[in-house]
Amino acid sequence: EAQVTQNPRYLITVTGKKLTVTCSQNMNHEYMSWYRQDPGLGLRQIYYSMNVEVTDKGDVPEGYKVSRKEKRNFPLILESPSPNQTSLYFCASSPYFLGQRDYEQYFGPGTRLTVT
Amino acid sequence: KQEVTQIPAALSVPEGENLVLNCSFTDSAIYNLQWFRQDPGKGLTSLLLIQSSQREQTSGRLNASLDKSSGRSTLYIAASQPGDSATYLCAVRQDETSGSRLTFGEGTQLTVNP
Repeated sequence: EAQVTQNPRYLITVTGKKLTVTCSQNMNHEYMSWYRQDPGLGLRQIYYSMNVEVTDKGDVPEGYKVSRKEKRNFPLILESPSPNQTSLYFCASSPYFLGQRDYEQYFGPGTRLTVT
Repeated sequence: KQEVTQIPAALSVPEGENLVLNCSFTDSAIYNLQWFRQDPGKGLTSLLLIQSSQREQTSGRLNASLDKSSGRSTLYIAASQPGDSATYLCAVRQDETSGSRLTFGEGTQLTVNP
């Protein structure tokens, strides 16, 4: 089954304790992205990657890191989490072909993170 | 900066009604618009993707229209069912230089009552 998986689905942690949220897709997609969803603010992009070893900042990258060492995986790293990073996080993927614009993005089930 | 607005924020209807959800965006130079469904505790499910050159797309009881020049899209749901209860999000993709970023509206929370 074609899918985007995220782990963990739920996480409660304390301020300053480094954590990683994993994201994996089995569709051989070039493009992967992380979003956070907050009440009143909607979904906002954190980081994205157009292919292996190619990453770039989205709208709200502060406090986050990413890496793209393999095509299928795109982990989100919080080096020193803070309470304002409490949110619902989504990973997404899609094909990406230069010059082609029209494709769907597929989203993972979400990771609900609480930082106390 | 692109802004996406969805009206209404919440909608409650009896089963069987036809309904329309609205989405508006401030910058009409979009590549495509996508409608998603979000269920509590679950991720986003893509419903329909309308290319910038298209006027509408249909899938089953769903029909989405796009009017780029006026910055509007509508999602029409025919013969609504309780299983349609969810939050519906629209999102626009601007251009390749933005890294395929989707700009989302805040959604319309739909409740279909049996």
